[in-house]
Amino acid sequence: GAGVSQSPSNKVTEKGKDVELRCDPISGHTALYWYRQSLGQGLEFLIYFQGNSAPDKSGLPSDRFSAERTGGSVSTLTIQRTQQEDSAVYLCASSLGVLAGTGGETQYFGPGTRLLVL
Amino acid sequence: KQEVTQIPAALSVPEGENLVLNCSFTDSAIYNLQWFRQDPGKGLTSLLLIQSSQREQTSGRLNASLDKSSGRSTLYIAASQPGDSATYLCAVRNAGNMLTFGGGTRLMVKP
Repeated sequence: GAGVSQSPSNKVTEKGKDVELRCDPISGHTALYWYRQSLGQGLEFLIYFQGNSAPDKSGLPSDRFSAERTGGSVSTLTIQRTQQEDSAVYLCASSLGVLAGTGGETQYFGPGTRLLVL
Repeated sequence: KQEVTQIPAALSVPEGENLVLNCSFTDSAIYNLQWFRQDPGKGLTSLLLIQSSQREQTSGRLNASLDKSSGRSTLYIAASQPGDSATYLCAVRNAGNMLTFGGGTRLMVKP
């Protein structure tokens, strides 16, 4: 009965380095979301995966950001050539998916990865 | 583009008071609206989800209402407790899969 887990919980990196953030959704959840929470910006959507469908990447802020979801479960968010403005808390959420009916849309969030780019 | 606003940004009340948090959105063509709470340094916990066809949802001391035509939702917390202290976030889902979040209301319930 574990919830959404994310790793690492904290990451400090130097400007220009690449980072990978990991998300383990709740078992059986077909939908997975990435969000970013920045000071002064609030919470913003980044990318959405639903089953085997093509991901909705409409929220990715630049082509330095990409995400994969292997085997319909674990997801990795990669930020290449990090910039200081990438510093934020990156939150992952999962849900049963819209096809599961009315209750399937509730999103369950992980604790987040706090990224600091120096 | 959907915009979500939450008022007030911060609220401090004595324990036991009933309180109302407000959320407004500019595009009324929503699929659903969800209320979350966020504790410092933690992720979000879903409290209530209201489908666009519904008027309200209740869970324990929490009641959320939705007036889609006017672009408003309220979260009512009855008999507030110090453990209710957190940031409360409202989020709406339009066509597509993204949630658009408000800036949150930071609630402090004083013992």
